[in-house]
Amino acid sequence: KAGVTQTPRYLIKTRGQQVTLSCSPISGHRSVSWYQQTPGQGLQFLFEYFSETQRNKGNFPGRFSGRQFSNSRSEMNVSTLELGDSALYLCASSPRGHSGPYEQYFGPGTRLTVT
Amino acid sequence: QQQVKQSPQSLIVQKGGISIINCAYENTAFDYFPWYQQFPGKGPALLIAIRPDVSEKKEGRFTISFNKSAKQFSLHIMDSQPGDSATYFCASISSGSARQLTFGSGTQLTVLP
Repeated sequence: KAGVTQTPRYLIKTRGQQVTLSCSPISGHRSVSWYQQTPGQGLQFLFEYFSETQRNKGNFPGRFSGRQFSNSRSEMNVSTLELGDSALYLCASSPRGHSGPYEQYFGPGTRLTVT
Repeated sequence: QQQVKQSPQSLIVQKGGISIINCAYENTAFDYFPWYQQFPGKGPALLIAIRPDVSEKKEGRFTISFNKSAKQFSLHIMDSQPGDSATYFCASISSGSARQLTFGSGTQLTVLP
């Protein structure tokens, strides 16, 4: 099975712009989660989508949003970019429904640099 | 606040030695404890995981030890190899509605040849 894919892999944006990142989960996986990874804050949960519905949201401002399509592919959007949004954005897919299993498999990430 | 505290921050081990990374959690609702391995430029890869009804799980050279009463769990890498040099993250997830992974801060492991 192909793994989780994320596009683009690298992105450079200017402060104030917006950006959209894309994630394709492992075939058959219906849950997609997004995480932000920075040297200072580590790995932090952004949100989770299952069957096109956001099921869970982390402690991030409303500038961070996402959606999931009927084929389970997901996008996340960051509006009005700030320098502090520079990070590695990771997508993880999971086969789980409303109860286990809990395993999440990560993609390679999108490295976002805000200048 | 849900937290997972991980130590040490960095670890240097000789080839063939044992690497030990420790984590402690606070939320008793956590019921799944995975370890992830991350190489530079890659996403975290699931290494091994354990549930709290088991005290130890072994997969090849990797072993998780779990102490439910102390709310601690650890990763042991036996016969450490230079190829094991990576950053290791412990994580926890609860069975409640907020089922996101809560990660430790990471341990940078270097295995010297």
